[in-house]
Amino acid sequence: DAGVTQSPTHLIKTRGQHVTLRCSPISGHKSVSWYQQVLGQGPQFIFQYYEKEERGRGNFPDRFSARQFPNYSSELNVNALLLGDSALYLCASSLAGQARYEQYFGPGTRLTVT
Amino acid sequence: AQTVTQSQPEMSVQEAETVTLSCTYDTSESDYYLFWYKQPPSRQMILVIRQEAYKQQNATENRFSVNFQKAAKSFSLKISDSQLGDAAMYFCAYRFYNQGGKLIFGQGTELSVKP
Repeated sequence: DAGVTQSPTHLIKTRGQHVTLRCSPISGHKSVSWYQQVLGQGPQFIFQYYEKEERGRGNFPDRFSARQFPNYSSELNVNALLLGDSALYLCASSLAGQARYEQYFGPGTRLTVT
Repeated sequence: AQTVTQSQPEMSVQEAETVTLSCTYDTSESDYYLFWYKQPPSRQMILVIRQEAYKQQNATENRFSVNFQKAAKSFSLKISDSQLGDAAMYFCAYRFYNQGGKLIFGQGTELSVKP
């Protein structure tokens, strides 16, 4: 079975632009979480979606938004990009939204803001 | 504050030897899960081992085992018979029972394995 997939793999944007990152969960998984991993640091939680509803939000500005589609895939949107948004963005899927369900991570999208 | 501290930014081990990675965390909650994840250069985050806070018995997965000290809020990872493929960044993390998917990660320990 295919694992979590993310697109694109790499992305270069300019300050002030907008970006959309995409994530497809493992088949049968209904929850998707997003993390930001700045170089040299551990991942930071951004959002969790379950059954198309936001179930958790980390300490990120309103420039960050996300949604989940009926097929459980998800998009992460970032507006008005800043240099500090340069990071690896990880998506993780799980069967459901509760903590007891294991999260499986995708390979990430490397975003560079210049 | 909810934090995870990995005090060893880098560790090195000889192939076939044993190494222990340290992790401490700070929380007032009593119900949570603890994890060790491995992130090789390919960037894919892989679950190594998981421990439920209410279980006193330390989790074991083949060559990987943990030493969980709940009162001390310590959760170290022991890798036995180290292999070249174990070289990676290792992250300690936890997740509360009542906060769904939110994982809180440490800063990571980079492990190198010498042949």
